Amino acid sequence: NAGVTQTPKFQVLKTGQSMTLQCAQDMNHEYMSWYRQDPGMGLRLIHYSVGAGITDQGEVPNGYNVSRSTTEDFPLRLLSAAPSQTSVYFCASSYSWGSTEAFFGQGTRLTVV
Amino acid sequence: EDQVTQSPEALRLQEGESSSLNCSYTVSGLRGLFWYRQDPGKGPEFLFTLYSAGEEKEKERLKATLTKKESFLHITAPKPEDSATYLCAVWKEGGNQFYFGTGTSLTVIP
Repeated sequence: NAGVTQTPKFQVLKTGQSMTLQCAQDMNHEYMSWYRQDPGMGLRLIHYSVGAGITDQGEVPNGYNVSRSTTEDFPLRLLSAAPSQTSVYFCASSYSWGSTEAFFGQGTRLTVV
Repeated sequence: EDQVTQSPEALRLQEGESSSLNCSYTVSGLRGLFWYRQDPGKGPEFLFTLYSAGEEKEKERLKATLTKKESFLHITAPKPEDSATYLCAVWKEGGNQFYFGTGTSLTVIP
């Protein structure tokens, strides 16, 4: 039981490049979400999913896309990387949406130069 | 405006010196308040959930309490391994996301 697995752990991109951050969970959780964590700011929700085929925007969705084709996987795509997207990204999953705790991955530290 | 504020931003304690971390919130209708611990380079790790004013939960040296406006994380006789950033998050009734505070960075000195 690995929990929530994120890859890669570190990534450097050039401005304008695209990439996909991978997230997989093995707890059969319906709810998955992506956050970014920046110094001096709390974790902020980018996108979330309440089940396979269903996604919605969070607080800071611009510049990011998501899809959910399976219960296990929830990839985050950066369409055209910008320096403002330099951050640490966390994927989380939970048994229910809001009333129970979220399980977080180890994070991806992304630098856009 | 929905907001979660944690204080202090940073706290240094001697080993064995008890103290409290504060999480104050302004949301219309609290569904749950969550405490997480985050070690450097790692994702947040769940500690407690509190649902109603007056509720308390304990785990080893940690005790979380909740009032209608704030939550406290009490640390009794801390050890160096308790050093971490402690995050507070709230979920409001009818909401669709957690609101996270910016955390309290705790350092326990041997």
